[in-house]
Amino acid sequence: DQQVKQNSPSLSVQEGRISILNCDYTNSMFDYFLWYKKYPAEGPTFLISISSIKDKNEDGRFTVFLNKSAKHLSLHIVPSQPGDSAVYFCAAILTGANSKLTFGKGITLSVRP
Amino acid sequence: DTAVSQTPKYLVTQMGNDKSIKCEQNLGHDTMYWYKQDSKKFLKIMFSYNNKELIINETVPNRFSPKSPDKAHLNLHINSLELGDSAVYFCASSQVGYGYTFGSGTRLTVV
Repeated sequence: DQQVKQNSPSLSVQEGRISILNCDYTNSMFDYFLWYKKYPAEGPTFLISISSIKDKNEDGRFTVFLNKSAKHLSLHIVPSQPGDSAVYFCAAILTGANSKLTFGKGITLSVRP
Repeated sequence: DTAVSQTPKYLVTQMGNDKSIKCEQNLGHDTMYWYKQDSKKFLKIMFSYNNKELIINETVPNRFSPKSPDKAHLNLHINSLELGDSAVYFCASSQVGYGYTFGSGTRLTVV
């Protein structure tokens, strides 16, 4: 029972262009959504998050959009850089006493020079 | 450096053996976790401890036993290792319940 879904396993974009990474979720009770970036042989590192009461959060080149009615969020990276090549995990959490991060399967982003 | 550190980074062992993975965080976080990333790349929570108390146990076989001697440490002991236990195990910590900080992972290979 996957509550967080990243249906595309990979994405390849040209340097300088926009990367759009998509994520869908099924549990409408989630109140925070996060994106993590992971390089090989390293742990996931936090990238950006959004509260369920917002529809957009921007941090430099990274913007996350949330569409609650569609239970969909996306991460936009613009302009994309070769150093952005990594696996990106979408995650969601229902905060509270027994909160836990629920992850999607991840998307491998390749940015071509 | 402030971080979540776990050891060893790589662990190769035979079926039936017992092994431990150690995790330490110096971030002052109250909650620590073990996640497993299997061959299909899913990151799934196994355990969560808050101030040395077990709060989440996600239907993990009882061959896996976490131990938290203090809130800065959460170790994972695995008895009678099986081939299916081969995976990357990540330790993480958090303070508020989100914004987790992850360790760099332990790649366990059971042969």
